[in-house]
Amino acid sequence: EAQVTQNPRYLITVTGKKLTVTCSQNMNHEYMSWYRQDPGLGLRQIYYSMNVEVTDKGDVPEGYKVSRKEKRNFPLILESPSPNQTSLYFCASRRQGSQPQHFGDGTRLSIL
Amino acid sequence: LAKTTQPISMDSYEGQEVNITCSHNNIATNDYITWYQQFPSQGPRFIIQGYKTKVTNEVASLFIPADRKSSTLSLPRVSLSDTAVYYCLVGGGVGSGNTGKLIFGQGTTLQVKP
Repeated sequence: EAQVTQNPRYLITVTGKKLTVTCSQNMNHEYMSWYRQDPGLGLRQIYYSMNVEVTDKGDVPEGYKVSRKEKRNFPLILESPSPNQTSLYFCASRRQGSQPQHFGDGTRLSIL
Repeated sequence: LAKTTQPISMDSYEGQEVNITCSHNNIATNDYITWYQQFPSQGPRFIIQGYKTKVTNEVASLFIPADRKSSTLSLPRVSLSDTAVYYCLVGGGVGSGNTGKLIFGQGTTLQVKP
């Protein structure tokens, strides 16, 4: 089954403790993105990748890092999480720039 | 990058046709228009995509006028299960300057009543 898998689905942690949210897709898609979703603000793109070793900033990249060492994986790294990064995060992938995105089920992060 | 504007919310009744319009005045020549549906605590799900004129699939139709500065998602005979947030997204076209960066609008919350 074609899917985008995120882990963990839920995480409560404390300020400053490094964390990684993994994202994996099994569709051999070139493009991958991370979004955060906050009430009243909709979906905002954090980072995106157009291929292995090719990443770039989206609209709200501050406080986040990503890497794309393999085509299927696109982890989101919070080196020093802060409470304002408490949010619902989605990973998405698509075959090409114009193609529709496939989204994961989301990761709800709470930073205390 | 093209910014999109949609109504914040809409109400409808079961069995009615619903039309949601999205404005995207500065759409680039190669940009596509894509609509997604999102239920609470789930990832957005692709509904339909188009470039110009009209596109129809098993769940919706997408109408795009010649100037492409707006688009209308049409949901025929909605049911209670169509209650969701609907997002219009413009971008991704080759040559549009940056195929990777995408901006979602605020979305339209559709409430279908019995």
